[in-house]
Amino acid sequence: AQSVTQLDSHVSVSEGTPVLLRCNYSSSYSPSLFWYVQHPNKGLQLLLKYTSAATLVKGINGFEAEFKKSETSFHLTKPSAHMSDAAEYFCVVTRSGNTGKLIFGQGTTLQVKP
Amino acid sequence: DAGVIQSPRHEVTEMGQEVTLRCKPISGHDYLFWYRQTMMRGLELLIYFNNNVPIDDSGMPEDRFSAKMPNASFSTLKIQPSEPRDSAVYFCASSFGGAHQPQHFGDGTRLSIL
Repeated sequence: AQSVTQLDSHVSVSEGTPVLLRCNYSSSYSPSLFWYVQHPNKGLQLLLKYTSAATLVKGINGFEAEFKKSETSFHLTKPSAHMSDAAEYFCVVTRSGNTGKLIFGQGTTLQVKP
Repeated sequence: DAGVIQSPRHEVTEMGQEVTLRCKPISGHDYLFWYRQTMMRGLELLIYFNNNVPIDDSGMPEDRFSAKMPNASFSTLKIQPSEPRDSAVYFCASSFGGAHQPQHFGDGTRLSIL
């Protein structure tokens, strides 16, 4: 069975310090993985995607993620947090087969303190 | 390019009333998804279409919910009769080119059933 686990429901950092949001997945095939961000009263916005090319993926707003197959992880990082990064972040995995269904993590709330 | 457009952004109505939510996907996209988001259950896929044809409606809660996609540029999600437990944020998303492509989300409709 496929699953995705975001290891922290809430992360708090100070502005200007690094951000690490952790995601582990379980899959019997080689999935595509995404990170989405959701700001209050907004829809989910794609940050970055991994689709079996380079394992280090760069996204928008300075975010990047590294796909580690041996660890079944896809952690999201940013070198320096900005106040505008405060939001909910979702790690997402595709299902096997030609289905449009995605598997969403439970979400991690990122708080950025001044 | 315009993103996914949903209307209305907010809807407040009394239980028993019919509610219709509308979605215009990104032009050229061939997949359309309807989601529901609540604090308790997170993000749930209700139904998705491929080339205007419903592919999987297993997430539709019950017969009170129905969705249509009469053409490539328009879809509706209808609840009749509505109940207070239907209160949630409903998102529409679209994608192009296959199940493993990222989905693009609208800003959602916040539905409150009194």
